[in-house]
Amino acid sequence: NAGVTQTPKFQVLKTGQSMTLQCAQDMNHEYMSWYRQDPGMGLRLIHYSVGAGITDQGEVPNGYNVSRSTTEDFPLRLLSAAPSQTSVYFCASSYAGAEQFFGPGTRLTVL
Amino acid sequence: SQQGEEDPQALSIQEGENATMNCSYKTSINNLQWYRQNSGRGLVHLILIRSNEREKHSGRLRVTLDTSKKSSSLLITASRAADTASYFCATEFNNYGQNFVFGPGTRLSVLP
Repeated sequence: NAGVTQTPKFQVLKTGQSMTLQCAQDMNHEYMSWYRQDPGMGLRLIHYSVGAGITDQGEVPNGYNVSRSTTEDFPLRLLSAAPSQTSVYFCASSYAGAEQFFGPGTRLTVL
Repeated sequence: SQQGEEDPQALSIQEGENATMNCSYKTSINNLQWYRQNSGRGLVHLILIRSNEREKHSGRLRVTLDTSKKSSSLLITASRAADTASYFCATEFNNYGQNFVFGPGTRLSVLP
């Protein structure tokens, strides 16, 4: 099993550009989530999904969109990048009420 | 906010000593989980303790949960340099779907 994979590992954007962060898992987990982690801080939930076709907002959803067309994939879209979105982004997946498995992260810089 | 809060923010100990980190939260929870993060890496799950459990062990790790005080502690015994990392507690509270709230973490340094 590859577990949770994220691409790209690093990305530099200019203000106003859009991009999609990819996340995939091969463990057939129902739940998938996107977090951002800013320096010296914990993780903040952006969006999450409890199954294909179902998504919901987390603590900091503004500026991000998600969709869940398959169980395996949960892409995160930045609509119009802003410097405040400079962060490390983690994707995670799990079964209900169980431990989360995290991807290696995407380090995003917005200039 | 229902955020968990770890205490202390930073902890520095010698190899072989025990390390204790605490987590407090604000609302009822389904479970509480502890994670470790090595610098620049993803988070690794350590232990999950459910709201009806009071203590769990895993190797050198011991986690306690006191729901009346809304607090948990993580004890690492006989620490090693490889335990140097940030430790986070995450609470899953009573809500539809998956919704974890992470605290800001405790940075543990184990000196050889």
